[in-house]
Parts: sequence; structure tokens; C-alpha cells
Amino acid sequence: QKEVEQNSGPLSVPEGAIASLNCTYSDRVSQSFFWYRQYSGKSPELIMSIYSNGDKEDGRFTAQLNKASQYVSLLIRDSQPSDSATYLCAVHSGTYKYIFGTGTRLKVLA
Amino acid sequence: DTGVSQDPRHKITKRGQNVTFRCDPISEHNRLYWYRQTLGQGPEFLTYFQNEAQLEKSRLLSDRFSAERPKGSFSTLEIQRTEQGDSAMYLCASSSSSGNSYNEQFFGPGTRLTVL
Repeated sequence: QKEVEQNSGPLSVPEGAIASLNCTYSDRVSQSFFWYRQYSGKSPELIMSIYSNGDKEDGRFTAQLNKASQYVSLLIRDSQPSDSATYLCAVHSGTYKYIFGTGTRLKVLA
Repeated sequence: DTGVSQDPRHKITKRGQNVTFRCDPISEHNRLYWYRQTLGQGPEFLTYFQNEAQLEKSRLLSDRFSAERPKGSFSTLEIQRTEQGDSAMYLCASSSSSGNSYNEQFFGPGTRLTVL
């Protein structure tokens, strides 16, 4: 079992819709969770961090964490074509260890 | 401070040559990481520094790879006797162990290595 799992996609949504991206992780002691956006050929860009169970909202983005289910998700409201990218889920366990999923490719159709 | 910087952005080398990459982290960040990313994969951990101390090195990393952070500021990653399998994007990231954004890791633009 991979430590951090994401559906590779592509996930296609129409412009203006809500995109829902999901991530599961295997290490129960994981403490911090992050979502990164990565455009093709570019480096990952941090868009959300979440540390506690529940929802965290930042503009059009909402991160949701459920530690009991070992599940973290990212919702993007009012999706725009510029949101088309690969979204990486990262899980932080311990002092140094960050484990990344392989990413979900999102396509927002104009 | 404009973020993490890396140099060079692109490197093409022949198999068997040595290459060195540089990373300058966000100035107040004491933690620095090197990752490698290939197409369709997430970043793969290579090594980690807290200040000038290298505290962890991936078991996947061969002896051809070495990294330093001599004064706890910039870091270098050297690959000796490069192989075609070393072709990848090499990413540097930094984070702080304190403050409101602790553990948030910020990436540099990466160095794309091509080994011919």
C-alpha cells in the first residue's frame, strides 16, 4: 500500500463547477497535511495546509481533514481554466518526513 | 525575500560527468530539503538539513549523491558520475520549525537535469 494515495485523473470539470480532489494516507501519526498545485514543467506551489480535523477555507479553496478515516480532500469552488494543473497531496510525519502522492491532474473545461 | 532560489535552472550533461546544483532557501528558514521528481510522480525525498546538520539521507540515494549546507544557509547537491537514470527535476524546499507557518514547505523553481 502506498503511503499517500491519490487518483491520478484526469478529473475534468466544467468552468464554474466545484472540483473535489481526494487523498488517503497510511501513517496514523501524520500531523500536518498540505496541498500543492503544480503546473506542467514548474515546481509545486503551496496552496493549503491543514493540521486539525474539519474544514479550512481560503478563498475558493477548502481543505477537509478526517484523521479517523485518514483522509484529506481539497475543494475548489468556481473552478477556472487557470486551475488546470496537477494537485499534489503531501503528508508530514515526524521531524523531516514529507510524503507526496503522485498527484491528481485537474482539467477545467471552458 | 522572494522565496527559494535554485541555480542552474537547466543542466545538460554527458553521462559520467559530475554536476553540482545550488539552493538558497528562504532566509529565516532553518530546514532545507532536496527532492527529485520524475514525470508523473510526486517529489521523492533525497535529503534533509536542519541548520547545517544533514539529519537524514534517503536510502534510495546512492553514494554518487552528496549534499552540503556549510553555514546553515545555502546548500549544494552534487551528483558524481552521472547516469541517464539521474535525469529528473531536482527540487529544493525550505521550511521553518517555528512560527505560524511552521512545517509549511516552499519549493524553489527546480533544476532540470538531462543526462545524455
